Amino acid sequence: NAGVTQTPKFQVLKTGQSMTLQCAQDMNHEYMSWYRQDPGMGLRLIHYSVGAGITDQGEVPNGYNVSRSTTEDFPLRLLSAAPSQTSVYFCASSDQIQGEQYFGPGTRLTVT
Amino acid sequence: RKEVEQDPGPFNVPEGATVAFNCTYSNSASQSFFWYRQDCRKEPKLLMSVYSSGNEDGRFTAQLNRASQYISLLIRDSKLSDSATYLCVVNTYNNAGNMLTFGGGTRLMVKP
Repeated sequence: NAGVTQTPKFQVLKTGQSMTLQCAQDMNHEYMSWYRQDPGMGLRLIHYSVGAGITDQGEVPNGYNVSRSTTEDFPLRLLSAAPSQTSVYFCASSDQIQGEQYFGPGTRLTVT
Repeated sequence: RKEVEQDPGPFNVPEGATVAFNCTYSNSASQSFFWYRQDCRKEPKLLMSVYSSGNEDGRFTAQLNRASQYISLLIRDSKLSDSATYLCVVNTYNNAGNMLTFGGGTRLMVKP
């Protein structure tokens, strides 16, 4: 099992550009989520999904879109990148919300 | 006030020492509690769940105090490989749904 995979590992964007961070899991988990991690802030939930076709907002959803067309994939789209979105982004999956979260290796995003 | 608070540290301890971290949470409706470990520039990984009666896993002991709304992690006989950031995670179920909240992490450095 590959577990949770994320691409790209690193990305530099200019302000106003858009891009999609990819996340995939091969554990047949229903629950998937996206977090951002900033120094001293802990991980903050951006969006989550409890199954294919179902998504919901987390704590910091503004500026981000998600979709869940399959159980395996949960891409995160930045609509118009801003310097405030410079962060490390982690995707996670689990078989239930309160269960063990399996994280991907993260994407380090810099917006200039 | 943050929902989940941790002393960011760093805690600098010699090998073999015993070290303890606390984490406080603000929502009395919180139901599940966890400690995750995060190595530098890596993804978080589950260290252990925290049960009401307290639980132990080798050198690690976790305790929950619902009355005072804090959880603790005790590490005995510290090893160099214990150097990492330890994240306190709280699961709360309310009208907004079922959500995990992460603390900012406590950094531990074990020295030879």
